[in-house]
Amino acid sequence: AQSVSQHNHHVILSEAASLELGCNYSYGGTVNLFWYVQYPGQHLQLLLKYFSGDPLVKGIKGFEAEFIKSKFSFNLRKPSVQWSDTAEYFCAVSNNAGNMLTFGGGTRLMVKP
Amino acid sequence: SAVISQKPSRDICQRGTSLTIQCQVDSQVTMMFWYRQQPGQSLTLIATANQGSEATYESGFVIDKFPISRPNLTFSTLTVSNMSPEDSSIYLCSVLKRSGQVVEAFFGQGTRLTVV
Repeated sequence: AQSVSQHNHHVILSEAASLELGCNYSYGGTVNLFWYVQYPGQHLQLLLKYFSGDPLVKGIKGFEAEFIKSKFSFNLRKPSVQWSDTAEYFCAVSNNAGNMLTFGGGTRLMVKP
Repeated sequence: SAVISQKPSRDICQRGTSLTIQCQVDSQVTMMFWYRQQPGQSLTLIATANQGSEATYESGFVIDKFPISRPNLTFSTLTVSNMSPEDSSIYLCSVLKRSGQVVEAFFGQGTRLTVV
C-alpha cells in the first residue's frame, strides 16, 4: 500500500518569506505526484503535478515542486509567499495503474501580513 | 479531462436521517472514489465504486453506513445513513483518468454536510 507523509502540520510565515513544504511517499512502483491547495471555505484546487520528465515542476501562483526519486520526496516551494497563500496544502500520490489516490495529512499555512 | 457534477453542494440534516449524494461525470470512468474530509483533517478514502460490482470499502467504513450505487460508468451515489453529528464533513467524489502515461485526479465540488 502507498502512503504519504507531510511532516509540517502548521506553518506560520511572514509575507515575502520563502516556503518549503515537505512531502514523502512510500510506494515501490511508478507514481504520479500532486499538490493541491484548499483556501478557507473553498474546495480543492490543483497546484501542480508530476508525471515524468523534468523533476522540477512549475505550477500556478508561483509554486514549484521538485521530485527527488532517491528520497521519495516531492517538496513544494515558493520563493516569496503572500498573505493570499494562507490555505491548507495537500500532497497526493497516485499509482501508475490509476486505481489509487492517497493524500497526505495536509499542511496548514498561515501567512502574516 | 473530466468534469464532475456533485450535488447537493451543502445540506443541514437531522440526526437519524439519511442523505444521498450524487456524482455525475461527463465521460465514462471505470472507478469512482468517495472521500470524506472532516473539519481540519485531510481527505480520507471511504470507498471505491466499481461499475457492475460492489464497492470496495476502506478500513473503518462499512456498507450499511455508507451504501454506494454505481449503476453505470458515469454516475454514482453515496448515502450517509442514520446520521449523527460526527458525520458532519465534506464529502467528495473523484475520478482518475488516464491519458497515455498520464494519470490525473479530478474532483467534484464537494458536499458540505452538517448534522444537527
